[in-house]
Amino acid sequence: NAGVTQTPKFQVLKTGQSMTLQCAQDMNHEYMSWYRQDPGMGLRLIHYSVGAGITDQGEVPNGYNVSRSTTEDFPLRLLSAAPSQTSVYFCASSHGTSVTGELFFGEGSRLTVL
Amino acid sequence: AQTVTQSQPEMSVQEAETVTLSCTYDTSENNYYLFWYKQPPSRQMILVIRQEAYKQQNATENRFSVNFQKAAKSFSLKISDSQLGDTAMYFCAFIPDNAGNMLTFGGGTRLMVKP
Repeated sequence: NAGVTQTPKFQVLKTGQSMTLQCAQDMNHEYMSWYRQDPGMGLRLIHYSVGAGITDQGEVPNGYNVSRSTTEDFPLRLLSAAPSQTSVYFCASSHGTSVTGELFFGEGSRLTVL
Repeated sequence: AQTVTQSQPEMSVQEAETVTLSCTYDTSENNYYLFWYKQPPSRQMILVIRQEAYKQQNATENRFSVNFQKAAKSFSLKISDSQLGDTAMYFCAFIPDNAGNMLTFGGGTRLMVKP
């Protein structure tokens, strides 16, 4: 079972560059989300989607865009990277929007912006 | 808005002993869910245990159990018979009943199990 797959696992960018973090899940989950993890701050929600064609902002959405054209994929785009976006990014998915008790996480993508 | 606080940035425990990780939260909601997630050095987040606020009985999963005190808004995790594989970051997380799956996480506690 692949579960939630994130690519790339590591990336170094220069300030102002753009990139896309890819996230794919093969569990037919309706709900997908992106979190960023920073030391001492836990994980903070960036954007989420409750189904194909539907996205919404989380706690820290500025500087990030998302789209959900298919159930399987939920890419996160940085249009103009800033050093403040240096972080570890996690994609997560779950079945439906009701609380099932478990989010399934990808392995994370470490992004460094110089 | 909900907040989750983990007041212990780092803890250590000897192998085979018991350790308790603390978590407090702030909410005006009456129905909600609480979780403990484990993040080993591999970075993969793994659900350890969950508790529904409407259940009075504390959740238990093998060596892991919680002490849920709803009035005090406290949700501690007890790890019994600690094993080297328990070394990880542990995150407490909260979600109201009507918030889909948008978790609010605490800042984490780094647990080191020593041989």
